[in-house]
Amino acid sequence: GDSVTQMEGPVTLSEEAFLTINCTYTATGYPSLFWYVQYPGEGLQLLLKATKADDKGSNKGFEATYRKETTSFHLEKGSVQVSDSAVYFCALIPVTGFQKLVFGTGTRLLVSP
Amino acid sequence: EAGVTQFPSHSVIEKGQTVTLRCDPISGHDNLYWYRRVMGKEIKFLLHFVKESKQDESGMPNNRFLAERTGGTYSTLKVQPAELEDSGVYFCASSHGGAMARETQYFGPGTRLLVL
Repeated sequence: GDSVTQMEGPVTLSEEAFLTINCTYTATGYPSLFWYVQYPGEGLQLLLKATKADDKGSNKGFEATYRKETTSFHLEKGSVQVSDSAVYFCALIPVTGFQKLVFGTGTRLLVSP
Repeated sequence: EAGVTQFPSHSVIEKGQTVTLRCDPISGHDNLYWYRRVMGKEIKFLLHFVKESKQDESGMPNNRFLAERTGGTYSTLKVQPAELEDSGVYFCASSHGGAMARETQYFGPGTRLLVL
């Protein structure tokens, strides 16, 4: 079945460091891909998305490129801030069937000053 | 525009009791979803409503869980009787568009359920 695999956390970085959170997926065809973020005490927020191969989603300095050849959608940011500390979830909506999101396990990011 | 709201934010109950969670989607969103995250694992789909109809309930774990969406507005998720393994965070989400449209889903803050 469809699945998403994310790197284990927590990821601990200093402010202004470069961030990469790896995400790979297993699915038929071209699923839609998403990154959601959950800040402490809050609900899930959509961070960015991509719906076809080679699309780049971007928001708040974060970027992720839909790579069909490697079935990946890695999240990157050039310079993280303390306020980026949160849990990041990679997810997909399969091509077939109804539009239920399939999530990875989430990666906690901790950014220190 | 108000976002997705959920009530209560936290619930602590004893094994065998009943709990009802409520979700109010974004106004005008026909699609409503329930998900849950158990014990820090991945967030898993429970079910999907289109208006008042259950479109997909393949993720419902067992018949102790009952979801309703009378009138196609808010939804309730009842757990009866609750078991220890039901503890987790229950998220609700809503979206525009038809049942097959891969639209962005907007999430509520979640209800944290603890069964003792």
